[in-house]
Amino acid sequence: AQTVTQSQPEMSVQEAETVTLSCTYDTSENNYYLFWYKQPPSRQMILVIRQEAYKQQNATENRFSVNFQKAAKSFSLKISDSQLGDTAMYFCAFMKYYGGSQGNLIFGKGTKLSVKP
Amino acid sequence: GAGVSQTPSNKVTEKGKYVELRCDPISGHTALYWYRQSLGQGPEFLIYFQGTGAADDSGLPNDRFFAVRPEGSVSTLKIQRTERGDSAVYLCASSLGRGGDEQFFGPGTRLTVL
Repeated sequence: AQTVTQSQPEMSVQEAETVTLSCTYDTSENNYYLFWYKQPPSRQMILVIRQEAYKQQNATENRFSVNFQKAAKSFSLKISDSQLGDTAMYFCAFMKYYGGSQGNLIFGKGTKLSVKP
Repeated sequence: GAGVSQTPSNKVTEKGKYVELRCDPISGHTALYWYRQSLGQGPEFLIYFQGTGAADDSGLPNDRFFAVRPEGSVSTLKIQRTERGDSAVYLCASSLGRGGDEQFFGPGTRLTVL
């Protein structure tokens, strides 16, 4: 069975600074997908970034980037130029590869990020 | 609608009662998921529909939980004989159904069992 571990329950960062959230996972699969989702107090989960395990290049989305280390089974999220609106719970999630069809997400316990003015 | 909607947003019920939670996915999304999120935890998978059929119900905790999606669009999660331990936020998500696709989440239904 796959597991996802987020070892930082809470983190804080000053506005405009950079912060890195950690995530490790355990799987025997070779092909899979990794995601970071953001959940603000409104409860709506929003996709931040997505990585396909067979791609060596790290994914980036504007101020958000990942450091994907497949051998170490590590998938950290870097947020640059932090903004007050980045304050939220961040969840790392794993999805098995099922060929052309979907699979369910397996989530970590989350990291609560607070961006301070 | 533009996104996934869930009704009701909050539901308070008494132990032993029956509840139904509804999910309206994004139009055209063939895959629909239900997750349960307890306080301070990440969402846990319950059941996945591809079209009208349940492709994977391995996350349902017991036979008190049941879900349907009769026309391949709206889904209803049904909980019989509710227990206090069922209290959680129930999240619904939908996607286009291809491997690795983004799952779009609804705002959830907060269920409180007294």
